[in-house]
Amino acid sequence: AQTVTQSQPEMSVQEAETVTLSCTYDTSESDYYLFWYKQPPSRQMILVIRQEAYKQQNATENRFSVNFQKAAKSFSLKISDSQLGDAAMYFCAYRSGATSGTYKYIFGTGTRLKVLA
Amino acid sequence: NAGVTQTPKFQVLKTGQSMTLQCAQDMNHNSMYWYRQDPGMGLRLIYYSASEGTTDKGEVPNGYNVSRLNKREFSLRLESAAPSQTSVYFCASSATGTGKETQYFGPGTRLLVL
Repeated sequence: AQTVTQSQPEMSVQEAETVTLSCTYDTSESDYYLFWYKQPPSRQMILVIRQEAYKQQNATENRFSVNFQKAAKSFSLKISDSQLGDAAMYFCAYRSGATSGTYKYIFGTGTRLKVLA
Repeated sequence: NAGVTQTPKFQVLKTGQSMTLQCAQDMNHNSMYWYRQDPGMGLRLIYYSASEGTTDKGEVPNGYNVSRLNKREFSLRLESAAPSQTSVYFCASSATGTGKETQYFGPGTRLLVL
């Protein structure tokens, strides 16, 4: 069975600085998707970034980028130029690819990011 | 285009009472999901429906039932609520087989069982 591990329960970053959130996963599959979701105090889950395992290029979305290391099963999120609005809970998630026939998502336990003014 | 909607937003139940949480999506997605979120445990999958007419158990299905009423709607029922079911419940949906699989979430239902 697949697992997702976020080993940092809480992180802090100074406004305008860069922070990296860690995520590791375990799978025997070669086809899968990885995601980072943000959950602000409003509780709404918001997709931050998505990575397809077959793509070697790391995904980027404005100030958010990932470091996808497939062999190491690592999927970290880098937030550049941190803003106060980035303060939230961040969840890493895994989903098997279409060939698996399953559509379940597996979430890590989350990392709470605090942004210091 | 409302995305994923959930009702109610907040509910208080007494132990043993029953209730149904409603979820609807207007994005024509095939798959729908119910999660619960508890402090320090992330999101845990209760049930999911890969397509209309099918449902499957997730990680924590005990004490819950689901109905995929049609492609838009996926309800979660608690037949006899217990204090251990106090949680925040999220519904989500996603397109499948498109190569753009991403889950979209509803705003959540906060449930308190006394």
